[in-house]
Amino acid sequence: SYELIQPPSVSVSPGQTASITCSGDKLGDKYTCWYQQKPGQSPVLVIYRDSERPSGIPERFSGSNSGNTATLTISGTQAMDEADYYCQAWDSNTGVFGTGTKVTVL
Amino acid sequence: QVQLVESGGGVVQPGRSLRLTCAASGFTFSSYGMHWVRQAPGKGLEWVTLIWYDGSRKYYADSVKGRFTISRDNSKNTQYLQMDSLRAEDTAVYYCASRNELLHAFDIWGQGTMVTVSS
Repeated sequence: SYELIQPPSVSVSPGQTASITCSGDKLGDKYTCWYQQKPGQSPVLVIYRDSERPSGIPERFSGSNSGNTATLTISGTQAMDEADYYCQAWDSNTGVFGTGTKVTVL
Repeated sequence: QVQLVESGGGVVQPGRSLRLTCAASGFTFSSYGMHWVRQAPGKGLEWVTLIWYDGSRKYYADSVKGRFTISRDNSKNTQYLQMDSLRAEDTAVYYCASRNELLHAFDIWGQGTMVTVSS
């Protein structure tokens, strides 16, 4: 079955840039999206179709996808960005989520 | 207001059954494929199942294939997840989610309903 691998944790200082990778076989051939999930809350879509932002998502969130790796970048990270982040792609009609990354803003 | 509301969670013994319900409002339910995604306590998100907009096709994760059945009633704007032969490892928050085909992503999520499988 298809797998998406993320680093378990990323730490970043306020105002700095956080990068979260998502690795999967030929992932660049698929659309990747990213979700933010805060404790006790449902996931929220922050990036779709590799690099597009839904309305209401701050410009500091950006994405890219090429080869075997998709990347979510948070520029000028704020304390409110502390959360778990999941990448997600489709393998035929099966949804696949990444293993998840906890972003800590120190 | 676009909304998905799950219900039906609870505590159930291993081997028993439970049915979850997801009620949709604020969008054209009959035009969207609907999904269930679950999250075990302290763990990541796991895609569970998909039903096409018209109910004609259904897909399942290997972990639930043969035990879970997804269905929908477009006249009631509702989808269901029938869970049989439940196991301890099915313990999780179950989210109802709608995939936006233009975005290729889940853009609407419910609040989730907790299912605990324990004797």
